[in-house]
Amino acid sequence: DVKVTQSSRYLVKRTGEKVFLECVQDMDHENMFWYRQDPGLGLRLIYFSYDVKMKEKGDIPEGYSVSREKKERFSLILESASTNQTSMYLCASSMFREQYFGPGTRLTVT
Amino acid sequence: AQSVTQLDSQVPVFEEAPVELRCNYSSSVSVYLFWYVQYPNQGLQLLLKYLSGSTLVKGINGFEAEFNKSQTSFHLRKPSVHISDTAEYFCAVSDLANAGGTSYGKLTFGQGTILTVHP
Repeated sequence: DVKVTQSSRYLVKRTGEKVFLECVQDMDHENMFWYRQDPGLGLRLIYFSYDVKMKEKGDIPEGYSVSREKKERFSLILESASTNQTSMYLCASSMFREQYFGPGTRLTVT
Repeated sequence: AQSVTQLDSQVPVFEEAPVELRCNYSSSVSVYLFWYVQYPNQGLQLLLKYLSGSTLVKGINGFEAEFNKSQTSFHLRKPSVHISDTAEYFCAVSDLANAGGTSYGKLTFGQGTILTVHP
């Protein structure tokens, strides 16, 4: 079974803090994704990575950056957290079409 | 660009009743379709997928979906629901995108349908 894990289930941060969300997959997948999920908006793609050190912007990259130093690990970085980044963040990985999701991190920025 | 519309944001039903969650998509290329389920405070779990072949697709937990190309729909059905089916359901369409000289499957999600099963 594919396993995607995320470092925290719940996180509370203050405005202006630098925030790191970590994601690890154990199936040697090439592609990894970061989404944010908000009520009524579904899932929106923030960034994805198709190889180590390679990344592409998704639909809503503003205010975020990513890092992929190893194939199994993909990090999402909020350089200076803001209250409008309060959301559920989901990581996923894939080899081709089907994506496998982690349990999510619910981030609250106060 | 692909898009997905889930026609109902909330669907309340009674236990043991049948249910249909509706999904329409737009796509100009070969279509690959998915239904995911999200239980409270959890990530997304794949329910079923249509990649090719039979238009009736069976998934986990007794769910099935029918791909209808002429109506661009991929509705999810279950003949008899349980309390444990209470969750949010997402329809998604996969498009081939290119990055760094390689192709990958990019998912576009609908807005989600909250299914609530009442006793």
